[in-house]
Amino acid sequence: GESVGLHLPTLSVQEGDNSIINCAYSNSASDYFIWYKQESGKGPQFIIDIRSNMDKRQGQRVTVLLNKTVKHLSLQIAATQPGDSAVYFCAERNSGYSTLTFGKGTMLLVSP
Amino acid sequence: NAGVTQTPKFQVLKTGQSMTLQCAQDMNHNSMYWYRQDPGMGLRLIYYSASEGTTDKGEVPNGYNVSRLNKREFSLRLESAAPSQTSVYFCASSWRGESNQPQHFGDGTRLSIL
Repeated sequence: GESVGLHLPTLSVQEGDNSIINCAYSNSASDYFIWYKQESGKGPQFIIDIRSNMDKRQGQRVTVLLNKTVKHLSLQIAATQPGDSAVYFCAERNSGYSTLTFGKGTMLLVSP
Repeated sequence: NAGVTQTPKFQVLKTGQSMTLQCAQDMNHNSMYWYRQDPGMGLRLIYYSASEGTTDKGEVPNGYNVSRLNKREFSLRLESAAPSQTSVYFCASSWRGESNQPQHFGDGTRLSIL
């Protein structure tokens, strides 16, 4: 597969642990945020999103937290599984614009 | 439900050759995007089309051109390929860029330029 994971921050966890992946965003005017998962050889896959008028949003085994005061976004994965191993990207959208800005990503490695 | 389909999946070119990357979506989305992804870096926007009939430059447009052929299709053209354009190219689409809806991605075209 391609080397999209080179030089990325890496989080290594054991199967069954909870994982927290962090993202600092840059623009205080951003009003919409998305987390993507990218497996080797595949395109980014949508996981969960959150609007700036919310602090927390939950999905199936995933929770996104938004702290606008410090411009910080986190993705929590409960009971991490080997299939969760991938690169995770956050993305932000500046209010009024139609494009996203992506972070560089974090690689999550889950050991059985 | 195919989503976003990109062709080809792999391509090797020689410096100076031209190439068109194809992208089609079947989700009736208005907005479409082309990104490149290089090792250790996030996705960088090359060009986008907010709606049929419009195209705009993104962060790294030099060396590329695009065509929004119709609502479904958005192609990316390299007129004279350079080794610096070796990358993985992703096409994405969304309902409308300014709406609170995520972009959906294809599985990429892996392009090597020798």
